[in-house]
Formats: sequence, structure tokens, C-alpha cells
Amino acid sequence: QSALTQPRSVSGSPGQSVTISCTGTSSDVGGYNFVSWYQQHPGKAPKVMIYDVSMRPSGVPDRFSGSKSGNTASLTISGLQAEDEADYYCCSYAGTYTFYVFGSGTQVTVL
Amino acid sequence: QVQLQQWGAGLLKPSETLSLTCAVYGGSFSGYYWSWIRQPPGKGLEWVGQINHSGGPNYNSSLKSRVAISLDMSKNQLSLELSSVTAADTAIYYCARNSVGTTPGKAFNIWGQGTMVTVSS
Repeated sequence: QSALTQPRSVSGSPGQSVTISCTGTSSDVGGYNFVSWYQQHPGKAPKVMIYDVSMRPSGVPDRFSGSKSGNTASLTISGLQAEDEADYYCCSYAGTYTFYVFGSGTQVTVL
Repeated sequence: QVQLQQWGAGLLKPSETLSLTCAVYGGSFSGYYWSWIRQPPGKGLEWVGQINHSGGPNYNSSLKSRVAISLDMSKNQLSLELSSVTAADTAIYYCARNSVGTTPGKAFNIWGQGTMVTVSS
């Protein structure tokens, strides 16, 4: 199972919005509404920011939002802040043979 | 508040068996799937496998012949064994709970601190 495709890096100035795409197939992203997004700062464990495509866990700022269209999911960070600088990974459930596949990861830089 | 604490050998030689344990503190152990996820240095995340108390384990097909995940319900612990390791298995290994909030789900919302495992001769 190949990793989901994410851009290697995105950047934006404080206050701007950035969007990270996550492209899979009809067997994973397109087939299930179980896409999650993780933020990882250097040396730290990942933290879930979005689950079930667009749901935000308690405590995650509403600047983070998720969506999906076909085989591509997206994470948007609005009102970019310095602390948002991190690596972001998408993950999709992929059925009862593959189970879970992660994205290749995107480095977000706040200029 | 649920916390996961991991431990295990950090340096292995090729062909040895990786063995890690993850203890669950402060919450229910049953009713959830528990996963192992790994991250090679400077690279992305890879799901290794999962287990829950009522069903058998499920594994990443690329590792299936070498991996075993088990539960010790009496100790609230899960374990990972990966046999015949090579340098390609060098990674940070995380245990995680498959849940969203306190509800079982298909995301990983509680993570262990990670254990760096290096395979080198």
C-alpha cells in the first residue's frame, strides 16, 4: 500500500491561510469518511487535529478545518500562527485488509 | 487522564527480535483498539498493527510475517514483537489508542512518548 500523497512543504505569513492536500484512491480516502490529520513538532509525538474528515477534537483551535472531495482530503489552517509551524500528516482508514495508510507528510513553515 | 508509557530495548543487531511494551494508565483498557505506529528518522509515519481485547490482531501486510502484537489485560499492557530486524526497521515506535475523545474510533488520539529503536551491527 503506497503512502497518501501530500505536498512536501507549504508556507505562509502569520494571519494567512494555507491548505494541505492529501491524495489517495477510492480504496482509502475516497472510500471512507475516516480521514484524520496529525500535527507533529520536532521530537514530539503526533497530535490529532482533525478526525472523520472534518471533526475537530476538543481543544483544537477552530483555525484548523478539514474537508474531502473524491479521493483528495484537505487540511486548512486559517489565521496562521507561529506555533502552527510543524509537520502535518494525513491518515485514512483503508478497509479490513490494509486498515490504515498515512500520508507522506507536509512541512508547514510560517514566514 | 489516560497516559501511555512505553519501554523496550533501543539497540538491536540485525536478525534479532524487537520487543516493546506499552502500559496504559488512568483509563479503561477494554473497548478500544490499540495500535503500534513507527517513524523512521526524518521520514513519515507507518501503521504497524492493532489489537483489541475481543478480536485478533491486525497487521500491516508488509510486516505481517514478522510482527506480533499482544495484550496483557491483567497489567493493562500491550506488546510489540518484530522478528528478524534489519536496518530498515530503525525507527521511533509509538503505541497509540484508536479513539476520538473517549470514544473508540478510527483516529489515534492518545500516543505514547515513543521509543527509538536502532538496528546496527
